Amino acid sequence: GENVEQHPSTLSVQEGDSAVIKCTYSDSASNYFPWYKQELGKGPQLIIDIRSNVGEKKDQRIAVTLNKTAKHFSLHITETQPEDSAVYFCASYNNNDMRFGAGTRLTVKP
Amino acid sequence: DVKVTQSSRYLVKRTGEKVFLECVQDMDHENMFWYRQDPGLGLRLIYFSYDVKMKEKGDIPEGYSVSREKKERFSLILESASTNQTSMYLCASRDRGAEAFFGQGTRLTVV
Repeated sequence: GENVEQHPSTLSVQEGDSAVIKCTYSDSASNYFPWYKQELGKGPQLIIDIRSNVGEKKDQRIAVTLNKTAKHFSLHITETQPEDSAVYFCASYNNNDMRFGAGTRLTVKP
Repeated sequence: DVKVTQSSRYLVKRTGEKVFLECVQDMDHENMFWYRQDPGLGLRLIYFSYDVKMKEKGDIPEGYSVSREKKERFSLILESASTNQTSMYLCASRDRGAEAFFGQGTRLTVV
C-alpha cells in the first residue's frame, strides 16, 4: 500500500522567514495531494491541495509543488507569522485511499 | 458551514469498559473514517466506511469495531478499553477524490 514520509518532524523559524515541509510517496498512481493544518485543540483543516496534472499551486503565502517523477511534494510558507504555528500533515490519495504523513510541528518565533 | 461533530472532547474510562465514540456529519458524504493520532505517528487509520452498514479495516483495527447504521453517523467502539488505547481519536468524512473534513477530536484516557 501507499507509504507517505514527511520531514522534518519539527521545524522552528523566525517570524518573517520561510518554512518548507517535504513529503515523499510510494504509489505512482496517487493523484491528489492535500495539506492539512492542525491547530491546538482542533481537528486538521485543509489549507491547500494539488492534483497530479499540476506542478505548482499558490494561495497567498502558501504554495505547494509536486514532482511526480521523483514522487515528492512540498509545502512552502513565506513570510511566516506566529499564527502559522501548528502541526502540518501531508497526504497522498489514490482510489479513495488517503494516507497521511507523520506530521511536522512548526513553531514561528516572534 | 460544513461540520463533522464528535460527541465528546474528553473522555476518561476504566480498563475493560466498553467505550463508544460517536461522529456525525452534515455533508451527506458517503465516506467516513476513524483515525488515531499519537505523537510522532501521525494519523493512523482504524476503520472506514464507504456506505451505510459497510465497513472496512484500516491499518490498526485490532481492539476496535465500528457501526454505521445511518449515512450521517459513524461510531467507533472499543470493546474492552485498554491503557494502550489512550489517544486522540479523529473522525473524518469526505466525498471520493475530495478533501477530508475532520471533527475536533476526542481525547480518550484509559486508566
